[in-house]
Amino acid sequence: EAQVTQNPRYLITVTGKKLTVTCSQNMNHEYMSWYRQDPGLGLRQIYYSMNVEVTDKGDVPEGYKVSRKEKRNFPLILESPSPNQTSLYFCASSWTGGPYNEQFFGPGTRLTVL
Amino acid sequence: TQLLEQSPQFLSIQEGENLTVYCNSSSVFSSLQWYRQEPGEGPVLLVTVVTGGEVKKLKRLTFQFGDARKDSSLHITAAQPGDTGLYLCAGDLVRNAGNMLTFGGGTRLMVKP
Repeated sequence: EAQVTQNPRYLITVTGKKLTVTCSQNMNHEYMSWYRQDPGLGLRQIYYSMNVEVTDKGDVPEGYKVSRKEKRNFPLILESPSPNQTSLYFCASSWTGGPYNEQFFGPGTRLTVL
Repeated sequence: TQLLEQSPQFLSIQEGENLTVYCNSSSVFSSLQWYRQEPGEGPVLLVTVVTGGEVKKLKRLTFQFGDARKDSSLHITAAQPGDTGLYLCAGDLVRNAGNMLTFGGGTRLMVKP
């Protein structure tokens, strides 16, 4: 089954404790991205990647890191999480970044930083 | 201020009513997509519109892209409880390193039986 998987689905942590949210897709997509979703703000892009070893900042990259060492994986790293990073996070992938780039979303990771 | 403004933010209607959701921007988009998101899941694509003035229909849902490609609307005819969810518009904005989807704030729709 074609899908985007994220782990963990739920995470409660404390300020300053490094964490990684994994994302994996099995559709051989080149383009992957991370979004955060907050009430009334829709989805805001954190980082995106056009291909292996190619990443770029989205609208809200501060406090986040990503890496793209393999085509299928695109982990999101929070080196020192803070309470304002409490949010619902989605990983997405698509074939390319072109005008027909349907984004396939993962199920989301709900993160709470205390 | 968001690049894409959706209205209304919330909509609660009775089954059988019609409704329209709007997505507006001052920027021109190469394409615009509408997604629907249900609780506990990621958004799922409903439609992509590319040409100014384009109208697409998906059963009881009608999507329109503005002539200037700055706005779009979603019209639902005879809404049903199964239409309940969060509707998101997303514009494809060309950037230096590649295209990027910019999302609106969403319209949360509840259709009561």
